Amino acid sequence: DGGITQSPKYLFRKEGQNVTLSCEQNLNHDAMYWYRQDPGQGLRLIYYSQIVNDFQKGDIAEGYSVSREKKESFPLTVTSAQKNPTAFYLCASSSRVHRGNQPQHFGDGTRLSIL
Amino acid sequence: GIQVEQSPPDLILQEGANSTLRCNFSDSVNNLQWFHQNPWGQLINLFYIPSGTKQNGRLSATTVATERYSLLYISSSQTTDSGVYFCAVAYNQGGKLIFGQGTELSVKP
Repeated sequence: DGGITQSPKYLFRKEGQNVTLSCEQNLNHDAMYWYRQDPGQGLRLIYYSQIVNDFQKGDIAEGYSVSREKKESFPLTVTSAQKNPTAFYLCASSSRVHRGNQPQHFGDGTRLSIL
Repeated sequence: GIQVEQSPPDLILQEGANSTLRCNFSDSVNNLQWFHQNPWGQLINLFYIPSGTKQNGRLSATTVATERYSLLYISSSQTTDSGVYFCAVAYNQGGKLIFGQGTELSVKP
């Protein structure tokens, strides 16, 4: 089945540790996105990528890093510089973006907590 | 930047009732999506509706782009409709979505 797979579903981070969240899609989409959701809030954009080997910061990029070496993969690293990483992280993808008018499809998310 | 406001913030319905959720946005957009987030956190696409009207079963949505609002209608509500409904918009570059704060719907049996 076509879709977006995020792993793991639950992740725990120790103080000072970097962790990487996986996002894979087999929809042949060009654009991929990472969002963060805090309890009772809407989603906020961390990073996005419109094509391979290119990505841009979103509204809350500090303390995060990404790579886009393959079209189907867009991993997110939560670094030790992110002081409040506990949140629900959602990955999304869309077909080639032309003036932002393509619908985004979401994975099932990863819940990250601090030990 | 663009502002997205949803109303009401909370809604409690008896099963079988109808409801209307509203999304106002502060600037022109070229993408508007409605999502349902279930209790497990899954974000389900309901509608991609930058303008016009669409229907899918008991749900329908209307976006009046010139007046900068969108409405989501839920008819004959069921307990499985419970959860949070988000409106999200995109404008100009990159397609990045700006989300509203959501409407939390609770449908009682």
